[in-house]
Amino acid sequence: QVQLQESGPGLVKPSETLSLTCTVSGGYLSNYYWIWIRQTPGKGLEWIGYVYFSGSTNYNPSLESRVTISADTSKNKVSLKLTSVTAADTGVYFCARADLRVAIPAMDVWGKGTTVTVSS
Amino acid sequence: ETVLTQSPGTLSLSPGDRANLSCRASQSIRSDYLGWYQQKPGQAPKLLIYGASNRATGIPDRFRGSGSGTDFTLTISRLEPEDFAIYFCQQFAGSPWTFGQGTKVEIK
Repeated sequence: QVQLQESGPGLVKPSETLSLTCTVSGGYLSNYYWIWIRQTPGKGLEWIGYVYFSGSTNYNPSLESRVTISADTSKNKVSLKLTSVTAADTGVYFCARADLRVAIPAMDVWGKGTTVTVSS
Repeated sequence: ETVLTQSPGTLSLSPGDRANLSCRASQSIRSDYLGWYQQKPGQAPKLLIYGASNRATGIPDRFRGSGSGTDFTLTISRLEPEDFAIYFCQQFAGSPWTFGQGTKVEIK
């Protein structure tokens, strides 16, 4: 079965760039949308954005100016970059999978999440 | 942005009780695009219901989703010990996708 594993630095300094990777095992990126979601004390669960395996993206307007999500089908990895971070970006970051081509979509597979703290 | 408001914030119940969780949207949502998730401490959210009323694979039939338009409900017919958790609704209908703030189902 498909499994997702988030990885990356647990501590990022303010104003720097947060970079995370989601490694997909037991399946491939093809034909799915790969989503980043975070859970912060301030806003709860927040959708960051997604990338289709082909590379097209859609971001939350509130984060769009700072976010880049990309997919590497050769490595079966999805990446998240969030620039100019502040303490408000501290939280748990999840990657998830969905098939948005179907009539009734669902985020059916989630990674366990990785905790990121923004602090100097 | 479609705001999802869940109520109550906390539900204190006993095993065997019935739980009714509400999710109200700030504007009408196509039912196909409303899901429910369960989250336990230290874990990722787990898909329970998609398309407002379809149980995800492996989800027991004591979980039932219903509703349309702006009002959606998750019903747990008889609470089992493992059902005490936080439940979130989520919509895909418009960008940005949004989540409710959650309902905590706790043991009374």
